[in-house]
Amino acid sequence: DTEVTQTPKHLVMGMTNKKSLKCEQHMGHRAMYWYKQKAKKPPELMFVYSYEKLSINESVPSRFSPECPNSSLLNLHLHALQPEDSALYLCASSYGQGGSEAFFGQGTRLTVV
Amino acid sequence: GEDVEQSLFLSVREGDSSVINCTYTDSSSTYLYWYKQEPGAGLQLLTYIFSNMDMKQDQRLTVLLNKKDKHLSLRIADTQTGDSAIYFCADKTGANNLFFGTGTRLTVIP
Repeated sequence: DTEVTQTPKHLVMGMTNKKSLKCEQHMGHRAMYWYKQKAKKPPELMFVYSYEKLSINESVPSRFSPECPNSSLLNLHLHALQPEDSALYLCASSYGQGGSEAFFGQGTRLTVV
Repeated sequence: GEDVEQSLFLSVREGDSSVINCTYTDSSSTYLYWYKQEPGAGLQLLTYIFSNMDMKQDQRLTVLLNKKDKHLSLRIADTQTGDSAIYFCADKTGANNLFFGTGTRLTVIP
């Protein structure tokens, strides 16, 4: 099983809403990642969790708040987003930050209105 | 910061071989990857190569790495219409960040 599951697949939210994106893997991976991908662009790293601790924050605005409740789950809490935050949000996992294979979920397509 | 470059477009005829190229700048790269992305979908890991290897073959896919020139390529043999997608190379640096190239849109002409 090399599956990373993301929910929801699509999300439309207003600028005053609070919502959460969820990511789950059962491969025993200890590193989990959030990426943001705008249309026709490569994915850009947002956050990395290693052994349930935040290890990398790529200067992401505080309206994005990651959480890793356990080694299988990764959340991204969203609050007061802007229309320019509309994008595909991708979750990934690997055995460790130094692990060889990094698997991605199918993404959540977020639209901020 | 790391810079990973790819050509934007490639068109090939069905049955021909496709070669997608990638250059990177970080000399501390540990692993280099090729991912496939179909419209509206996530990233599918196709293959990867450890930085001390120079070639890896996996069925129709051949990865070549020239570490001296920091050049990576992906060859797809007998390209099929189902191979049409965007292909990203990615570079895991010594800091364990995964940097993606700009992506190459492969179009397979029947």
